[in-house]
Amino acid sequence: EVQLVQSGAEVKKPGESLKISCKGSGYSFTSYWIGWVRQMPGKGLEWMGIIYPGDSDTRYSPSFQGQVTISADKSISTAYLQWSSLKASDTAMYYCARHEPDYAFDIWGQGTMVTVSS
Amino acid sequence: QSALTQPASVSGSPGQSITISCTGTSSDVGGYNYVSWYQQHPGKAPKLMIYDVSKRPSGVSNRFSGSKSGNTASLTISGLQAEDEADYYCCSYAGSSTVVFGGGTKLTVL
Repeated sequence: EVQLVQSGAEVKKPGESLKISCKGSGYSFTSYWIGWVRQMPGKGLEWMGIIYPGDSDTRYSPSFQGQVTISADKSISTAYLQWSSLKASDTAMYYCARHEPDYAFDIWGQGTMVTVSS
Repeated sequence: QSALTQPASVSGSPGQSITISCTGTSSDVGGYNYVSWYQQHPGKAPKLMIYDVSKRPSGVSNRFSGSKSGNTASLTISGLQAEDEADYYCCSYAGSSTVVFGGGTKLTVL
């Protein structure tokens, strides 16, 4: 079965760092882009960026460039999304999704809820 | 890179058809045939319903169809069912390996 499994919910304080993960299985992890999507509470989907695990080529939305870092470890079929200094406004559900060549996200992770509060 | 424009809400009765619009620009929706649509039920991850403007993934009901004219894409759901009640998002390629989502539309089945 093709699936993406994300790490569990996180509760952090402002200023702390965080790295969440997305592990792929059931397909060739290095042959598809993986994207990250933010959904703030009660709001819509926002595209953050994508990575090609085969060579770690990464693209960011202008809105998220410099705010987060996307990476991948192809040896363990895992993509990551990380923050160096969290803000309360980073509180959201974060989804990873497999990205087809035609830019459709066909497989989604279950989501990771990140809560940032003092 | 602005979000694509969708109506905030639409509604319909069981058995009826509804259409959700998604308006962008010539730099995204109008420039490429890479429009996709996603269904999201409360507390769940989004699900791909339409890709490449009008193609359905395996397992998606043929009651869902997509189209595009100029800078506006549309999702039509025919024979509305209670289970179709959800949020729907359009998405388009926007060049330079970037993607943009619509603001989302809440579908209510009356």
